[in-house]
Amino acid sequence: QVQLVESGGGLVKPGGSLRLACAASGFTFSDYFFSWIRQAPGRGLEWISSISYSGTDIWYADSMQGRFTISRDNSKNSLYLQMNSLRADDTAVYYCARDLRYGSYYFDSWGQGTLVTVSS
Amino acid sequence: EIVLTQSPATLSLSPGERATLSCRASQSVTNYLAWYQQKPGQPPRLLIYDASDRATGIPPRFSGSGSGTDFTLTISSLEPEDFAVYYCQQRSGWPPVSSFGPGTKVDI
Repeated sequence: QVQLVESGGGLVKPGGSLRLACAASGFTFSDYFFSWIRQAPGRGLEWISSISYSGTDIWYADSMQGRFTISRDNSKNSLYLQMNSLRADDTAVYYCARDLRYGSYYFDSWGQGTLVTVSS
Repeated sequence: EIVLTQSPATLSLSPGERATLSCRASQSVTNYLAWYQQKPGQPPRLLIYDASDRATGIPPRFSGSGSGTDFTLTISSLEPEDFAVYYCQQRSGWPPVSSFGPGTKVDI
């Protein structure tokens, strides 16, 4: 069955960096676009970034551009999110999600999320 | 940037009743709109995409309608497991961007 498992979250100081990973299984990873979406505690969902099959096309929300970098390694069935210059308002659960179909931005499978806490 | 507004913020209903949730976009998204259900401690679950197509495994009591700027999610007869938060989501433009509405909580 389709499984997405995020890792790499934790407590980080303001200004610090983290690299999140998402391990995929149960399907052909390279056949899908992927995205990162986050949810601050008690708040709604916020789209961060998406990446195409091979990683040649990448898109970011304007507010994330420059601090966050999405990437993927199809040989390892893995998706990544490098986060730099973290701020308190980056505190959230970060989800990786699979695209329903080419570039649809409809997310049909989600991981359970990994919590990132930015605090001194 | 397209902003999605959802109403009402909270919908208090009983099992067996009909739920009607609204999502309005600040400009046209044609039919590039999805609906998700989220329960506490769980990731969202895709219910509807392209405004009216049910995702795999979603029961027929869930239906979506609308186009342009006004969309509706209808749950024809609420089951106990349907009490949750519902989000609408749009994709638009090129390069493509996406955003979610603030959510509607359906509770008892």
